[in-house]
Amino acid sequence: AQSVTQLDSQVPVFEEAPVELRCNYSSSVSVYLFWYVQYPNQGLQLLLKYLSGSTLVKGINGFEAEFNKSQTSFHLRKPSVHISDTAEYFCAVSTGGGNKLTFGTGTQLKVEL
Amino acid sequence: GAGVSQSPSNKVTEKGKDVELRCDPISGHTALYWYRQSLGQGLEFLIYFQGNSAPDKSGLPSDRFSAERTGGSVSTLTIQRTQQEDSAVYLCAGGQGFDGYTFGSGTRLTVV
Repeated sequence: AQSVTQLDSQVPVFEEAPVELRCNYSSSVSVYLFWYVQYPNQGLQLLLKYLSGSTLVKGINGFEAEFNKSQTSFHLRKPSVHISDTAEYFCAVSTGGGNKLTFGTGTQLKVEL
Repeated sequence: GAGVSQSPSNKVTEKGKDVELRCDPISGHTALYWYRQSLGQGLEFLIYFQGNSAPDKSGLPSDRFSAERTGGSVSTLTIQRTQQEDSAVYLCAGGQGFDGYTFGSGTRLTVV
């Protein structure tokens, strides 16, 4: 079975500061990894995904994530955040194809002036 | 359509009543998922449909919950004899291959 751990439930950060949201996964087989963002009162939107190839993945809104197989991590980063990045971020893992996604419990990113 | 459509967007129901939540996925998406998001919690997997295969119902919390997908397209999630703990946002998502999911905006269910 696969699982995802997001250790930080909330991350406060000042505008224009860098941010890292942590995600660790557990799986006995190869995985595909995703980050989703949920803005207040909206559905989830795909930020980026790792399927294969380069371990550094770039997504929308200036976010990027790095797949680290040895550390079973897929941390999300942004070098300079904006107020509009305030949202909840979910990490998810799939073992491929149409298999179901298993989500972490989410990290609330709050960007302050 | 252009996205995943869920209806109703909000539903308030009395404890003990049955409710039906509808999901219209993107045309061509063979996979369809239902998740539940409770206040302050992550996404809880409920059920998964993939093409004509038998659905994966392993996430349904009780036999009061059921879902069907007609003609490989529209899906309906039914909750019978609703309880207050069923109050949550119910999210539907469609997918194709390795593209990840496209989520609908959800149905906010409140059981009073």
